[in-house]
Amino acid sequence: NAGVTQTPKFQVLKTGQSMTLQCAQDMNHNSMYWYRQDPGMGLRLIYYSASEGTTDKGEVPNGYNVSRLNKREFSLRLESAAPSQTSVYFCASSPLQGAKTEAFFGQGTRLTVV
Amino acid sequence: GESVGLHLPTLSVQEGDNSIINCAYSNSASDYFIWYKQESGKGPQFIIDIRSNMDKRQGQRVTVLLNKTVKHLSLQIAATQPGDSAVYFCADYSGAGSYQLTFGKGTKLSVIP
Repeated sequence: NAGVTQTPKFQVLKTGQSMTLQCAQDMNHNSMYWYRQDPGMGLRLIYYSASEGTTDKGEVPNGYNVSRLNKREFSLRLESAAPSQTSVYFCASSPLQGAKTEAFFGQGTRLTVV
Repeated sequence: GESVGLHLPTLSVQEGDNSIINCAYSNSASDYFIWYKQESGKGPQFIIDIRSNMDKRQGQRVTVLLNKTVKHLSLQIAATQPGDSAVYFCADYSGAGSYQLTFGKGTKLSVIP
């Protein structure tokens, strides 16, 4: 039972390069999330997808785009990476059918933009 | 702004003592709260949750207390162990549409052997 799987685990980009962070969950969850976590900080929501076919902005969406490819997969794209996007990125998923429940997290992608 | 926040960024406790981690929230409509534990280099892990129709919920060595009057919740860890050293976050679905899971800044718990 893999849960939430993120790829890659580590990435170094040059300023201006683009890349896509991949996230997949095998728990048949409806909602998926992308967060960033800067050193000594909490998790800030970038984008979320309440259900397949929908996406919404979170607290810090600028510089990012997302795609809910299907129920399992939710990708995060950086079109033109900037040093300010150096962070650890976490993907999460939650059932959110009826009653609210906890979200399950991946192990993170550590991204450095130089 | 954030719906949840924590009073203290760091907490040091002796092994075997009880730990109390606090969290304040601002949205009176929040009806479900979660505590997460994050160890270094890992993603957050669920510890315990509580719904607004409850004041207290107990798990294994952990208790969450909810005070809706002052919009405050706390996580109590009994007989703190070295393995409890981590950053603890509270979170809730308090954003617009209630699908946004919002986190506080976290408290780093250090257990002194």
